[in-house]
Amino acid sequence: QSVLTQPPSASGAPGQRVTVSCSGSYSNIGSNYVYWYQQFPGTAPQVLIYRDNQRPSGVPDRFSGSKSGTSASLAISGLRSEDEAAYYCAAWDDSLSAQVFGTGTEVSVL
Amino acid sequence: QVRLQESGPGLVKPSETLSLTCSVSGGSISPHYWSWIRQPPGKGLEWIGYIYFSGKTKNNPFLRSRVTISADTSKNLFSLKLSSVTAADTAVYFCARHHSGYDAHFDYWGQGIPVSVSS
Repeated sequence: QSVLTQPPSASGAPGQRVTVSCSGSYSNIGSNYVYWYQQFPGTAPQVLIYRDNQRPSGVPDRFSGSKSGTSASLAISGLRSEDEAAYYCAAWDDSLSAQVFGTGTEVSVL
Repeated sequence: QVRLQESGPGLVKPSETLSLTCSVSGGSISPHYWSWIRQPPGKGLEWIGYIYFSGKTKNNPFLRSRVTISADTSKNLFSLKLSSVTAADTAVYFCARHHSGYDAHFDYWGQGIPVSVSS
């Protein structure tokens, strides 16, 4: 029961910029921080962006996050083959009192 | 370096209770929040619930009545019980640590354990 909506797929050529959107509501994105996770097949997700736009140490600055109202975006600039993965947004939802995840976006490099 | 390791049966019969344990090493479960998250085959992530080291818990409202999460600070582990399972509960189950508060991101994850519900 994903509460946050993402496009199922996104793609771009090497070196291009790709944007992944995440649409929610006031009770989640509109009121709380957004997080982004990257997941490779067969492995656990890893945080890519926290508190809307902060990068953990070790995450390249090619990855950036932004938020406006009840939507958030993840941008990948200078796309590389190793960026092929699934990306999930997440946020706390005050109405559900639950952590909610996005539907997930598969990013492919053409 | 904090490490999390899930353990438990990989096969559970319908209507029975799924029981998993997450062992934490390289750090104490105090004073953090810890969650269980699952991922059905080919699908997205679903948060199951969290526990604070003090014992406070919160569960996904869609699963609430079937979920029990507990912690054993003396053994540095926490556990998940999911009752009355069906095929829809077949998934990879992850345990994870919250970076800070209950609404924070998950900064450490276990590798995940696949669980199949089948007779």
